[in-house]
Amino acid sequence: GQNIDQPTEMTATEGAIVQINCTYQTSGFNGLFWYQQHAGEAPTFLSYNVLDGLEEKGRFSSFLSRSKGYSYLLLKELQMKDSASYLCAPSSNRDDKIIFGKGTRLHILP
Amino acid sequence: KAGVTQTPRYLIKTRGQQVTLSCSPISGHRSVSWYQQTPGQGLQFLFEYFSETQRNKGNFPGRFSGRQFSNSRSEMNVSTLELGDSALYLCASSARQVDEQYFGPGTRLTVT
Repeated sequence: GQNIDQPTEMTATEGAIVQINCTYQTSGFNGLFWYQQHAGEAPTFLSYNVLDGLEEKGRFSSFLSRSKGYSYLLLKELQMKDSASYLCAPSSNRDDKIIFGKGTRLHILP
Repeated sequence: KAGVTQTPRYLIKTRGQQVTLSCSPISGHRSVSWYQQTPGQGLQFLFEYFSETQRNKGNFPGRFSGRQFSNSRSEMNVSTLELGDSALYLCASSARQVDEQYFGPGTRLTVT
């Protein structure tokens, strides 16, 4: 089965750093996606982690611990345009499915 | 390379009617997935098609169906519409199963 837990909302200040956590219980876990979705728009791909550890991509980094069923998305040097929902989505090699969490709505204050 | 397109973008239907939504994936992508998005439930998986075959199905009633054509274009159909079917329906394409997905802009369905 699938169970994904991430905070519903978070608030951070422009220029700061924020970490969005995600815990999951996924049968046949394969890897974990992070997507960004601005209000009224479609989700866009941010990262995909298969191996344990941190992967950095510009201001965004994503971390995975397979043994703990835990991932986080780290956003540095926050900008107003980072105000969006961030979706955690583990994938399963048992049924080749990607299941999305309900998302974390991030509010950036000036 | 053109992105994922969905038609129509907006739709208003009455309870009991049926609706067909269309999705054209990125050229070369063979996997098309459909999702329903509502404020309360987030993004929920409907089904996935790969090379004209339904490979996966979510937990939705049989009123929700879909198909994929030989050119990878996909359609989803909802019969006997209910008020609770009002949602944003998103289509996503990828080159392979369990791969980076590219989402279309969605079809906003309102059932009255």
